[in-house]
This record gives sequence, structure tokens and C-alpha cells, in this order.
Amino acid sequence: AQSVTQPDIHITVSEGASLELRCNYSYGATPYLFWYVQSPGQGLQLLLKYFSGDTLVQGIKGFEAEFKRSQSSFNLRKPSVHWSDAAEYFCVTTGNQFYFGTGTSLTVIP
Amino acid sequence: DTGVSQNPRHKITKRGQNVTFRCDPISEHNRLYWYRQTLGQGPEFLTYFQNEAQLEKSRLLSDRFSAERPKGSFSTLEIQRTEQGDSAMYLCASSSLAGGPSDTQYFGPGTRLTVL
Repeated sequence: AQSVTQPDIHITVSEGASLELRCNYSYGATPYLFWYVQSPGQGLQLLLKYFSGDTLVQGIKGFEAEFKRSQSSFNLRKPSVHWSDAAEYFCVTTGNQFYFGTGTSLTVIP
Repeated sequence: DTGVSQNPRHKITKRGQNVTFRCDPISEHNRLYWYRQTLGQGPEFLTYFQNEAQLEKSRLLSDRFSAERPKGSFSTLEIQRTEQGDSAMYLCASSSLAGGPSDTQYFGPGTRLTVL
């Protein structure tokens, strides 16, 4: 069955620093992969998605993710974090339903 | 397009009471999903509809839970005889039937249920 693992429960970075959130997937074929962000009081918002093609995917808010089949990974990156990026981030894979990772909570230090 | 809406946003109830939540999807979307999210966890799938047909239910959806989408538009999720373990955020999402598993799901803000 499809699944994703987010090894980091919580990450703290300084504002302006770079960010990488890890995601590993488990699926034999090419998976469909998404990153969503959930801010307090807000609904889940799609940052980006990967289905096929170019393995480097650009998303909203300056985020990008790279699909690496050899490492079964789909890590999310941002070159310079803003205080407003503090939120919960979920890596997701899909079949008929979405399979969410456990999430990574991001804290941004001024 | 006003997005996915859910009502109420918060619900506090006593154990044993019944509660009902409503979800209004994006108007042109024919798929509607329900998820449950507990503190510190990612959302877990409960059930989904394609138009008015309920196509899949998770084992998490006990017989105290029932979901309907009578006209293929809004949906309701009812929990009967609530238990403290039902306390969670209930999320609704919708998508269009375009590419199957690659469809993006758009989420509502959720209904937070607290069972005392």
C-alpha cells in the first residue's frame, strides 16, 4: 500500500535561512506526491505536486520539491524562510484517497 | 469559486449525543472526501463520494458514523452516540474527476469536535 514517512516531527529555523523538509514514500510504481501546508485556523493548502516528468517541481510561496526515485524521496525546500512559513507541513501520496504523512511542524525564529 | 466550506467550525457536545457536520464542496467538483485529524497526526481518510454514490469507506468509519451526499452536492457526516475518542478535527475535501489519483483535493477549514 502507498505510504509516506516524514522523519522530522519538528524543525526550527531562523528567518532567512534555507529549509528542507524530508519525505520518503513507499510505492512500487511512480507515485503521485503532494506537499500541503496547514496553518493554525486555516485549511490545508496545496504547495505543489508531482506526477511525472521534470523531477524538480516548483510550487507556490517560493517552495520547490525534488523527486528522487533512487532515494524514494520527495523533499520540500525553500531557499529563504519567512516568519509566515511557520506551519505544519504534510507530504501526501494518493490512490483513491490521500495518504498523509504525520507532518513536520516548522517554527521560524526571528 | 468560494472554496470548500464546513459548518459548524466548532462543536462541543456531551458523550452520547449525536452530532452532524456539513460540507459544501467547490461547486463543479464531483468527488467529496471526509478525513479525521487528531492532534499531532496527519489527516486519516474516512470516506469518499463520487456524485451521490459513496464509493469507499475506511475501517475507521464505525457503524456510529454515517455520511450522505443526497444530491451530489453538499454532504453531511453524522456521528451517533459520540465518545470522547471521537474528539478530532473533521476535514472535508473535494476534487474534480479529471485524472483520477492525480486530482488535487481542496480542503475546507474543518470542524473541530470536542466530546466532553
